[in-house]
Amino acid sequence: AQTVTQSQPEMSVQEAETVTLSCTYDTSESDYYLFWYKQPPSRQMILVIRQEAYKQQNATENRFSVNFQKAAKSFSLKISDSQLGDAAMYFCAYRSAGSARQLTFGSGTQLTVLP
Amino acid sequence: NAGVMQNPRHLVRRRGQEARLRCSPMKGHSHVYWYRQLPEEGLKFMVYLQKENIIDESGMPKERFSAEFPKEGPSILRIQQVVRGDSAAYFCASSPISRGRGIAEAFFGQGTRLTVV
Repeated sequence: AQTVTQSQPEMSVQEAETVTLSCTYDTSESDYYLFWYKQPPSRQMILVIRQEAYKQQNATENRFSVNFQKAAKSFSLKISDSQLGDAAMYFCAYRSAGSARQLTFGSGTQLTVLP
Repeated sequence: NAGVMQNPRHLVRRRGQEARLRCSPMKGHSHVYWYRQLPEEGLKFMVYLQKENIIDESGMPKERFSAEFPKEGPSILRIQQVVRGDSAAYFCASSPISRGRGIAEAFFGQGTRLTVV
């Protein structure tokens, strides 16, 4: 079974600065997808960024980018130019590329943005 | 195109009562997933359904919990004889059929917060 580990329960960053959230995972599969979701106080799960394991290039979405290290099974999220609206719980998630389509989530990192 | 709709948003039940949580997937989506989020924890997979079929229920408790996704109407997560430990946020997600190498991204509803008193 796959597991996802987020070792930072809480992080804080100064507004306009850069912060990196860590995620590691364990799997025996070679083809899979990785995601970062954001959960603000409203509880809505919002997809931030996704990475396909067979793609070597790191995904980027505006101020959000990932550092995907397949051999190390590491998938960190970098948020540049942090904004107050980035404050939320961030979850890393894994999904097999096979028939098992459910997501396996980490325990989350609570990000605080300081003005 | 409306998103994934869950209702109710908040549900209070007394111990021993039944809870019914509803999820209407996005238009055109035929796959539905239910997740449970306990306080201060991440989401845990419960069940994966397609129309009229349960594909994977490996995350469902063996007793008191059931799920369905009928041909017509929303998906229902049913919890019988609720206990305090069932208090949690329950999220539904839906996705379209995956074609080729497409990720077939899952979209989440806003969740139902169940409180058992």
